[in-house]
Amino acid sequence: DVKVTQSSRYLVKRTGEKVFLECVQDMDHENMFWYRQDPGLGLRLIYFSYDVKMKEKGDIPEGYSVSREKKERFSLILESASTNQTSMYLCASSTEGQGANEQYFGPGTRLTVT
Amino acid sequence: AQTVTQSQPEMSVQEAETVTLSCTYDTSENNYYLFWYKQPPSRQMILVIRQEAYKQQNATENRFSVNFQKAAKSFSLKISDSQLGDTAMYFCAFISGGSNYKLTFGKGTLLTVNP
Repeated sequence: DVKVTQSSRYLVKRTGEKVFLECVQDMDHENMFWYRQDPGLGLRLIYFSYDVKMKEKGDIPEGYSVSREKKERFSLILESASTNQTSMYLCASSTEGQGANEQYFGPGTRLTVT
Repeated sequence: AQTVTQSQPEMSVQEAETVTLSCTYDTSENNYYLFWYKQPPSRQMILVIRQEAYKQQNATENRFSVNFQKAAKSFSLKISDSQLGDTAMYFCAFISGGSNYKLTFGKGTLLTVNP
């Protein structure tokens, strides 16, 4: 079974702190994604990566950056956390190929910025 | 740009009954894929069912089936013999056939199955 893990289920940070959210997948998937989930808004794509060291902006990249130094690991970085970044963050991965490939999700990290 | 609309923020159903969740989408493309994902409370999101736009036959997975109406751009999910474990947030999602990454999600429908 594909396993996508995220470093923390719950995280509380202060405004202005630098925050790292880590995601690891164990299925040698080429693609990895970071989403933000907010009530009434569904899931919105922040960034994705289709290969090591490659990244592309999603729909809401402002205030975030990412890093993919190894194929299995994809990190989301909040350079200076703000209260409007309080949210659930979901990581996902999928194999390369046509659009039908399923995305496998991690359990999510609920981040609170105070 | 593609959009996905789920018009029912919340629904409820009695155990063992059938329920249908609605989804409409907007695209100018002819080749694409549609998905229903399920997110149980405090648990990981998982794929329920997928449909290729070029297939006329509606996809089915055990108690889950879809009604895919390509001309109407409608993709509803039917859950038969509802079980308590079906209680979850359900998301409809779209991806272009030419893309391997850009999933567009609807806002979700919270389904509660009552005993």
